[in-house]
Amino acid sequence: GQNIDQPTEMTATEGAIVQINCTYQTSGFNGLFWYQQHAGEAPTFLSYNVLDGLEEKGRFSSFLSRSKGYSYLLLKELQMKDSASYLCAVRPIYGNNRLAFGKGNQVVVIP
Amino acid sequence: EPEVTQTPSHQVTQMGQEVILRCVPISNHLYFYWYRQILGQKVEFLVSFYNNEISEKSEIFDDQFSVERPDGSNFTLKIRSTKLEDSAMYFCASSRWPGGYEQYFGPGTRLTVT
Repeated sequence: GQNIDQPTEMTATEGAIVQINCTYQTSGFNGLFWYQQHAGEAPTFLSYNVLDGLEEKGRFSSFLSRSKGYSYLLLKELQMKDSASYLCAVRPIYGNNRLAFGKGNQVVVIP
Repeated sequence: EPEVTQTPSHQVTQMGQEVILRCVPISNHLYFYWYRQILGQKVEFLVSFYNNEISEKSEIFDDQFSVERPDGSNFTLKIRSTKLEDSAMYFCASSRWPGGYEQYFGPGTRLTVT
C-alpha cells in the first residue's frame, strides 16, 4: 500500500514563495503528481515527476527524490488565487491506473 | 478547452436507494476513473475503466458499486442500496494515456445520503 504524508496548513503573503512538502512510502513507484484543489472544486493537474530532479512550469516547480521518498512543490510570486489545497499523489507501479492521494496541504494567501 | 462534465452537481437520496452518477469524459480520452472524497478527507480511488471493462478497482469498490459506459460518450457510476457513509463528493476523471498521467477531473457530484 501507500502512505503519503503532507503537513496540513500554511499561511503566506502575496508575492512570497512557499514550499509544500510531501513524503511517501510505497511498495512501488511510477510517478508523483501535484494537484491543486480549490474548496468545493475538482483537483486540477499541476505537475508530474517520475525521475529525480526539478521540473519547472511557470510559477510552479516540483522536485522529486525517489531515494528519500520525498517531493516538494514550490509556488513563486504567490497570488490570492493560489489559496487552495495542494495534493500530492503517487502512482504505484503495480497499479496501472490509480492515483493514491495524500490529504493535501491547505495554503492561505494573505495580502 | 475540452473538459470532463458530470451530472447532477448535487444528489440527495434516502438510505437504501440506488443512485446513478453520470459523467461525460473528454472525447478523445480512452481511460476513465471514479474517485470519491468524503468531506475533509483525501481523494480516494474507486475504479478505472478501459476498453469497456474495469481495469482496476479499490477495496472500496465492492458489489454495491458498478460502472458502465452505456454509449460512446457517457460513463456512469451506480451505487446500490446507499448508506450514510456513501455521502461524499464523487469525481469522474479521464486520461488519454494509461497510468494516470495528467488525469483530468470533472467538477464532481456531491452525494448526500439521508
